[in-house]
Amino acid sequence: KQEVTQIPAALSVPEGENLVLNCSFTDSAIYNLQWFRQDPGKGLTSLLLIQSSQREQTSGRLNASLDKSSGRSTLYIAASQPGDSATYLCAVDTDKLIFGTGTRLQVFP
Amino acid sequence: KAGVTQTPRYLIKTRGQQVTLSCSPISGHRSVSWYQQTPGQGLQFLFEYFSETQRNKGNFPGRFSGRQFSNSRSEMNVSTLELGDSALYLCASSFRGPTGANVLTFGAGSRLTVL
Repeated sequence: KQEVTQIPAALSVPEGENLVLNCSFTDSAIYNLQWFRQDPGKGLTSLLLIQSSQREQTSGRLNASLDKSSGRSTLYIAASQPGDSATYLCAVDTDKLIFGTGTRLQVFP
Repeated sequence: KAGVTQTPRYLIKTRGQQVTLSCSPISGHRSVSWYQQTPGQGLQFLFEYFSETQRNKGNFPGRFSGRQFSNSRSEMNVSTLELGDSALYLCASSFRGPTGANVLTFGAGSRLTVL
């Protein structure tokens, strides 16, 4: 059974710091891995999608990597800003999305 | 183009009642999936519909059901509500991109409170 875990569960940092969020999964048989952002009480916004054959994807200040063999993905946020405060979720796509537990990020000025 | 629309956004029910939630996908998207989000269990997959057929189902009791109409709009129903059904219910519409990846767009969710 696929299990997805994210660490840390919560993170509070000052503005400007570079951050690394971690995601691990137990079964490497995935189609892709996606990172989402969720603001309080809202739906999910897709940030990055990494195909199983890819190693990384970049969008602006965000960079996500994927190591299928070790069952790990990281989301790197450069020069964090207060507007980055949200919960970040990773999800692996098998024949359905299985979500991680999330990392709640707070960036203070 | 319009996003995924979920209605109602908020609702309060009592135990034993039933509820129906609606999801209108992005125009042209034929796949709709539903998720339940609770503080204790996180985001869990309920089911997926494609062209009016249930394509996949998560591990939820039979009280949870859904359907999809010919215009791709979807509804989910929960019967005999329990306190533990209180959650944010999220709908996502999707299509398979050129690389084969399932590209999802989520709605804002329907927050159900069961008293």
